[in-house]
Amino acid sequence: NAGVTQTPKFRVLKTGQSMTLLCAQDMNHEYMYWYRQDPGMGLRLIHYSVGEGTTAKGEVPDGYNVSRLKKQNFLLGLESAAPSQTSVYFCASSVGHEQYFGPGTRLTVT
Amino acid sequence: ILNVEQSPQSLHVQEGDSTNFTCSFPSSNFYALHWYRWETAKSPEALFVMTLNGDEKKKGRISATLNTKEGYSYLYIKGSQPEDSATYLCAASGSARQLTFGSGTQLTVLP
Repeated sequence: NAGVTQTPKFRVLKTGQSMTLLCAQDMNHEYMYWYRQDPGMGLRLIHYSVGEGTTAKGEVPDGYNVSRLKKQNFLLGLESAAPSQTSVYFCASSVGHEQYFGPGTRLTVT
Repeated sequence: ILNVEQSPQSLHVQEGDSTNFTCSFPSSNFYALHWYRWETAKSPEALFVMTLNGDEKKKGRISATLNTKEGYSYLYIKGSQPEDSATYLCAASGSARQLTFGSGTQLTVLP
């Protein structure tokens, strides 16, 4: 049981490039979330999903898109990366109200 | 989206000291209060989830209380050890299951 996994672990992008971050969970959880973590700001919710085929905006959705085509996967896309998107990205899934987090992806946009 | 605040921002204590920190949140539209422990380069790890006013939870030397009427929760660590050094995150959720996190309290326990 791997729990929540994220790929890649690290990535450096140039401004304007695009990329997709993958989150996978093997716990059959309905809810999945994408957060970003910036110094002094805690975790902020980007987008979330309440089930396969559904997504919703969180606190800071601008510049990101998501898809949940399969229950176990939640993809976070950056269409045109900006330096302001340099951050550590965490994915989580939940059953009830307890969320389980992945190990994070450190993204740097130069 | 709830406004969640934690204090202090950082804290240094000596090994063996007991300590506590605070999480405050708006008492309206509240469903649950979460505490997470977050070590550097690791994932946040759930400690407690509390929903009812007056709830108290305990795990080893760590305990937490909840006051939903006045909108605060305390996390207590008894007899701090160096391995307790971490950032402790508090988060509040409304009925939509979205968590709003505080900025955390960074605890350093000095040997």
